[in-house]
Amino acid sequence: GDSVTQMEGPVTLSEEAFLTINCTYTATGYPSLFWYVQYPGEGLQLLLKATKADDKGSNKGFEATYRKETTSFHLEKGSVQVSDSAVYFCALGDSGGSNYKLTFGKGTLLTVNP
Amino acid sequence: DGGITQSPKYLFRKEGQNVTLSCEQNLNHDAMYWYRQDPGQGLRLIYYSQIVNDFQKGDIAEGYSVSREKKESFPLTVTSAQKNPTAFYLCASKIPSSNQPQHFGDGTRLSIL
Repeated sequence: GDSVTQMEGPVTLSEEAFLTINCTYTATGYPSLFWYVQYPGEGLQLLLKATKADDKGSNKGFEATYRKETTSFHLEKGSVQVSDSAVYFCALGDSGGSNYKLTFGKGTLLTVNP
Repeated sequence: DGGITQSPKYLFRKEGQNVTLSCEQNLNHDAMYWYRQDPGQGLRLIYYSQIVNDFQKGDIAEGYSVSREKKESFPLTVTSAQKNPTAFYLCASKIPSSNQPQHFGDGTRLSIL
């Protein structure tokens, strides 16, 4: 079945540091890939998405590229801020193509210190 | 503004009681979902519904029930059969287009007294 493996946290960085959170997936077909962010006590917000190989999703300085050859969708940001502290989830749309169901990674807690 | 409303934000249950969590959306989405979130385990799918009057079990449906009588509403009942109900519950919705993401509510935290 489909699965997502993401970098285990917690990750602690200083402000303005470079961020990478690794995400790899197992799926058949051509699923869409997503990164969601969860701030404390809140639901999930879509951060970015990519729907086909070599697509780059970007939002708020975050980027991720859909790499089919390495089955990866790593999240990056060049300079993190304290306000980026949150839990980040990588997710995979079901590979049947409908993307009705999402498979989530376990989440990575990011803490950014001033 | 369109969105998903979950209520209440915090809910307490006594042993042996059923409780119902509310999820309402005004996004005109056909598909709706319930997830359970536990620390370190990510999100696990409980039930989902692709259309009114139809729903399917997810990966951890035991001890839960749902209904979908209206497009905008997808309530989740946590029954007494669910032996470990303490968790954060998230509702989501989606339009049918395959590339569109799921949108989430702010969640309900359920605790056992």
